[in-house]
Amino acid sequence: DAGVIQSPRHEVTEMGQEVTLRCKPISGHDYLFWYRQTMMRGLELLIYFNNNVPIDDSGMPEDRFSAKMPNASFSTLKIQPSEPRDSAVYFCASSWQGAGTQYFGPGTRLLVL
Amino acid sequence: GIQVEQSPPDLILQEGANSTLRCNFSDSVNNLQWFHQNPWGQLINLFYIPSGTKQNGRLSATTVATERYSLLYISSSQTTDSGVYFCAVFTSGTYKYIFGTGTRLKVLA
Repeated sequence: DAGVIQSPRHEVTEMGQEVTLRCKPISGHDYLFWYRQTMMRGLELLIYFNNNVPIDDSGMPEDRFSAKMPNASFSTLKIQPSEPRDSAVYFCASSWQGAGTQYFGPGTRLLVL
Repeated sequence: GIQVEQSPPDLILQEGANSTLRCNFSDSVNNLQWFHQNPWGQLINLFYIPSGTKQNGRLSATTVATERYSLLYISSSQTTDSGVYFCAVFTSGTYKYIFGTGTRLKVLA
């Protein structure tokens, strides 16, 4: 398997623009997680899905953030409108079972100017 | 909520030295993982270790769930071991992994 795939790897955008991050989990995994990593706050769980259904979105910072998982092989995290404080590395991870080993994608490094 | 503390926060070693990284957690956990984040930012899972001891080459880990801690041992360290080591604990109460703040390791040649 190719592992968890994320795109783009780097994104530079201007404040107010819409940003869409994409993730393809490992085939057969039934859980998908979106994390954000910053120097100040470390690694934070934003939202996770089980069998394409959002289970816990308590980590989503505000209404500007939304996530979808239309099928088992694809998920998006959208920020609209983006703000400079959203600059971070966004990771997607997947696992088989919620408590199982998590496999992380390479991350998307987002810079909002 | 559960607190996950890692120590030391920073560690500098000479190549060939051994080290022990510690992860303490404040409540019962169902599972625990150790990750290495390399200098390029990639998070790589090292161990899935809810209890007991596991070894993989120069790395080994021990989790004593009843005493709420886990240890990661690195023997004969190499420069490629540099990066940040995270532990993450899973609790049935929250049904998600909570990450510690990490130990930043630098191995000097």
